[in-house]
Amino acid sequence: GQQVMQIPQYQHVQEGEDFTTYCNSSTTLSNIQWYKQRPGGHPVFLIQLVKSGEVKKQKRLTFQFGEAKKNSSLHITATQTTDVGTYFCAGPGTGGFKTIFGAGTRLFVKA
Amino acid sequence: NAGVTQTPKFQVLKTGQSMTLQCAQDMNHNSMYWYRQDPGMGLRLIYYSASEGTTDKGEVPNGYNVSRLNKREFSLRLESAAPSQTSVYFCASSEDFRVGAFFGQGTRLTVV
Repeated sequence: GQQVMQIPQYQHVQEGEDFTTYCNSSTTLSNIQWYKQRPGGHPVFLIQLVKSGEVKKQKRLTFQFGEAKKNSSLHITATQTTDVGTYFCAGPGTGGFKTIFGAGTRLFVKA
Repeated sequence: NAGVTQTPKFQVLKTGQSMTLQCAQDMNHNSMYWYRQDPGMGLRLIYYSASEGTTDKGEVPNGYNVSRLNKREFSLRLESAAPSQTSVYFCASSEDFRVGAFFGQGTRLTVV
């Protein structure tokens, strides 16, 4: 079945360092979505990428969709303590009108 | 606007008890979803409803049933709770599956 995989599972950084999480799908995706979940909170939609090779920025966050539309990345420049949380990628599931999530990358930021 | 509202926020059940988790959205979304989240497991889709009147199984449907009562409401029922169903349950909605979803605050369920 379709799988959406994320690496790394955890990342510890010092405040000010950069951070990147990677998402890989076993199938081609029509779009990729990114979410952030703060500790104890609920997932919050950040952005959606649709086009092959697309790059979008939100302040210190840069999102990229691979040329083959099977992988994506989220890069945070100069992390801050407010970036702490779990970042999930998600994509449309095959065989149905549904969204499948990766396992997430949990980011820890040390001040 | 409230967005996606889930009730209850916390629940403790004994093994074998039944309960229904309620979810309502006020964004006129077509699609609604139920996910469960276990430590280190990410979000796993239990059931979804692509539109009013339709429901389909997700990745982990066993032990659950759902009802799309109307366009606003999508409930999740546990008929006979088991300790393996201890988890955080999230309801979500979206215009359709191709766009980002909005999540409720979650229900923290413990089955003892």
